Amino acid sequence: KNEVEQSPQNLTAQEGEFITINCSYSVGISALHWLQQHPGGGIVSLFMLSSGKKKHGRLIATINIQEKHSSLHITASHPRDSAVYICAANTGNQFYFGTGTSLTVIP
Amino acid sequence: NAGVTQTPKFRVLKTGQSMTLLCAQDMNHEYMYWYRQDPGMGLRLIHYSVGEGTTAKGEVPDGYNVSRLKKQNFLLGLESAAPSQTSVYFCASYQASRETQYFGPGTRLLVL
Repeated sequence: KNEVEQSPQNLTAQEGEFITINCSYSVGISALHWLQQHPGGGIVSLFMLSSGKKKHGRLIATINIQEKHSSLHITASHPRDSAVYICAANTGNQFYFGTGTSLTVIP
Repeated sequence: NAGVTQTPKFRVLKTGQSMTLLCAQDMNHEYMYWYRQDPGMGLRLIHYSVGEGTTAKGEVPDGYNVSRLKKQNFLLGLESAAPSQTSVYFCASYQASRETQYFGPGTRLLVL
């Protein structure tokens, strides 16, 4: 039983394409986080959402609390966006993670 | 400000040996976590702490122990290593008011 499901598992895009990664969760959350894991292994936090929508540069994250669903969008994708994107549900004290979406952006 | 550091970066153990992984953060965060990451499994929570002197079990705690004697340090111990504990271990710290979880660089552990 996975508390957090992501799709797709793998994604290849041409540079400049609009990308969407989806996350569904089954637990009650205080917040939903999006993380980026670089090819070298390092993990950085991109967004924390408890409602609505947030935007940082070319990245946009949305959440629908009623549907228990979140999306991460990348506009005008670039090869440097190639990484694994991970969705994480914060239930208060604990985090549950999706298995990640591996994104490759081809020049 | 070093953020979250982990020691060691890489270790090879024989089955039955013990070791301690050290996580340190200099951001005065209350929450600290130990995760393991395995191919196809995503990050899984081993143990966590909500403050100095407190620890709690996560999703996969068996075979591990932890201690948080000082707020800035969170130790993960393997008393008798098993090949199933071969993994990449990440430590993280979190402050709800900062809305960000900070991760260490990871420790690669190979148990033979």
